[in-house]
Amino acid sequence: EPEVTQTPSHQVTQMGQEVILRCVPISNHLYFYWYRQILGQKVEFLVSFYNNEISEKSEIFDDQFSVERPDGSNFTLKIRSTKLEDSAMYFCASSTGRTNEKLFFGSGTQLSVL
Amino acid sequence: AQSVAQPEDQVNVAEGNPLTVKCTYSVSGNPYLFWYVQYPNRGLQFLLKYITGDNLVKGSYGFEAEFNKSQTSFHLKKPSALVSDSALYFCAVRGRGSASKIIFGSGTRLSIRP
Repeated sequence: EPEVTQTPSHQVTQMGQEVILRCVPISNHLYFYWYRQILGQKVEFLVSFYNNEISEKSEIFDDQFSVERPDGSNFTLKIRSTKLEDSAMYFCASSTGRTNEKLFFGSGTQLSVL
Repeated sequence: AQSVAQPEDQVNVAEGNPLTVKCTYSVSGNPYLFWYVQYPNRGLQFLLKYITGDNLVKGSYGFEAEFNKSQTSFHLKKPSALVSDSALYFCAVRGRGSASKIIFGSGTRLSIRP
């Protein structure tokens, strides 16, 4: 089965630093997502992305966050100035875009802000 | 706004017994409903979905879920639990007409004892 890949698997950073989390969605998918999970708890929606623009974003996705699809394969999440509370597992997902279709998730990037 | 509730943080079942993981939802109109499973240090894996038609949906690993519109529920079930079913289970909903986000419940940790 095709996979969503995420790099790095772990990222440690100092508070106030910028981080970029990288994802390679499944090649024929059209919708891309970022979710996060804190301490193995609830999976929270951050943002969805389609046709090179944000489709929807949550309250969590403030001005410190941005997403980009810099080329035909990568999808990135940037946090400009990390805070302690940004520490979480960040999951990338992709789908074909049809509303009844499932999301395919990557294995996640564990971000630790010190 | 769409939402999902999983009232149980943890469900404990003996191997071989039937299991039920509860989920209720709130969404405008008819929903698309999903169940995902998460094993330790892994991303979310799709189990099954309800789109339309038969209220009983069958999915991976012998799991099934029953859609009940009047009770706005989508409980996950399995007739005979295995120790390997122990994991974190998430119910999710997407509203029709939205090709965007899927909202997840808070998760239920399923523990199967030998």
